[in-house]
Amino acid sequence: GAGVSQSPRYKVAKRGQDVALRCDPISGHVSLFWYQQALGQGPEFLTYFQNEAQLDKSGLPSDRFFAERPEGSVSTLKIQRTQQEDSAVYLCASTPRTGLTDTQYFGPGTRLTVL
Amino acid sequence: QQPVQSPQAVILREGEDAVINCSSSKALYSVHWYRQKHGEAPVFLMILLKGGEQKGHEKISASFNEKKQQSSLYLTASQLSYSGTYFCGTSGAGGTSYGKLTFGQGTILTVHP
Repeated sequence: GAGVSQSPRYKVAKRGQDVALRCDPISGHVSLFWYQQALGQGPEFLTYFQNEAQLDKSGLPSDRFFAERPEGSVSTLKIQRTQQEDSAVYLCASTPRTGLTDTQYFGPGTRLTVL
Repeated sequence: QQPVQSPQAVILREGEDAVINCSSSKALYSVHWYRQKHGEAPVFLMILLKGGEQKGHEKISASFNEKKQQSSLYLTASQLSYSGTYFCGTSGAGGTSYGKLTFGQGTILTVHP
């Protein structure tokens, strides 16, 4: 079946612009994670949704970052007033349930470059 | 706290073996291994649970040493397709119930013909 998809794959923004990154998880998956991956580093947790509920946003770096999943499927990560340090690959992952041993299925990511 | 992976990079000839380690300073519940090729999504390899379990996947296997809070990924008879960056993701004992992972910095594996 279809995997996790993300759009756009690449986004260039001027500093100060707002951006919206979309994640389409695998159909029926309950859990959804957003990660930020800086160049040459491992993914860093940003936020977690269980269906439409955002249960953990402890990794969001500032109040410029906002995520939503209003109907428990598609999720959007919004970054307001982008800064150069926001440049990174933003990965989305989904799992079928909510357990510790669930496999996280990752999307290809959105590469954000802030000029 | 971020787990530490070693080595940072390894270069192999096809057919050679490699070991990648992932160490944590805190008690672990699970270790997840992923491989990521440049510009692509991380691909799941396997999960190791607390208990010293060893798992295998084709010619790739892994172990989890609970005493040392360390997991090792073993790649035997490497193939060109094994090239990529390997990440371990850990969840801590007593942590969240929903699988929040903390990833290491990655190990770059390059296999030459």
